[in-house]
Amino acid sequence: DVKVTQSSRYLVKRTGEKVFLECVQDMDHENMFWYRQDPGLGLRLIYFSYDVKMKEKGDIPEGYSVSREKKERFSLILESASTNQTSMYLCASSRTSGSYHEQYFGPGTRLTVT
Amino acid sequence: AQSVTQPDIHITVSEGASLELRCNYSYGATPYLFWYVQSPGQGLQLLLKYFSGDTLVQGIKGFEAEFKRSQSSFNLRKPSVHWSDAAEYFCAVGGRAAGNKLTFGGGTRVLVKP
Repeated sequence: DVKVTQSSRYLVKRTGEKVFLECVQDMDHENMFWYRQDPGLGLRLIYFSYDVKMKEKGDIPEGYSVSREKKERFSLILESASTNQTSMYLCASSRTSGSYHEQYFGPGTRLTVT
Repeated sequence: AQSVTQPDIHITVSEGASLELRCNYSYGATPYLFWYVQSPGQGLQLLLKYFSGDTLVQGIKGFEAEFKRSQSSFNLRKPSVHWSDAAEYFCAVGGRAAGNKLTFGGGTRVLVKP
């Protein structure tokens, strides 16, 4: 089974702190994604990566950056956390070929910024 | 641009009754369609997917969905709901024109009455 893990299930940070969310997948998937989930808004794509060191902005990249130094690991960085970044963050991965873009998700990190 | 609409934010259903969740999509080419389920505090789990062929697809946990191209719909159904089906359900669309990205609907939260 594909496994996607996220470093923390719950995180509380203060406004202005730098925050790192880590995601690791164990199935050698080329693509990795970061979403945020807010009630009534579904999942919104922040960034995705289709290869090591490659990244593309999603629909809501402002205030976020990402890093992918190894194929299995994709990090989301909040340079200076703000209260409006309080949310559930979900990481996902997928294969490029033969998968019809099916994504596999981690358990999520619920981030609270106070 | 692709989009997904789930018209029902909440649905309450009695245990043992049937369930239908609506999904309408907008996509300019042949869509890849997915239904995911999210139990409280968990990540998203794939219920079923449609790429081509038979327009009625079977998934896990007794769910099925029907692709209707003329109506741009991909509704999810279950004949008899169990208490464990209480969760949030997300419809998603992707395809070759979208690269490796999926677009998600806003979700439908299902409550099951005993």
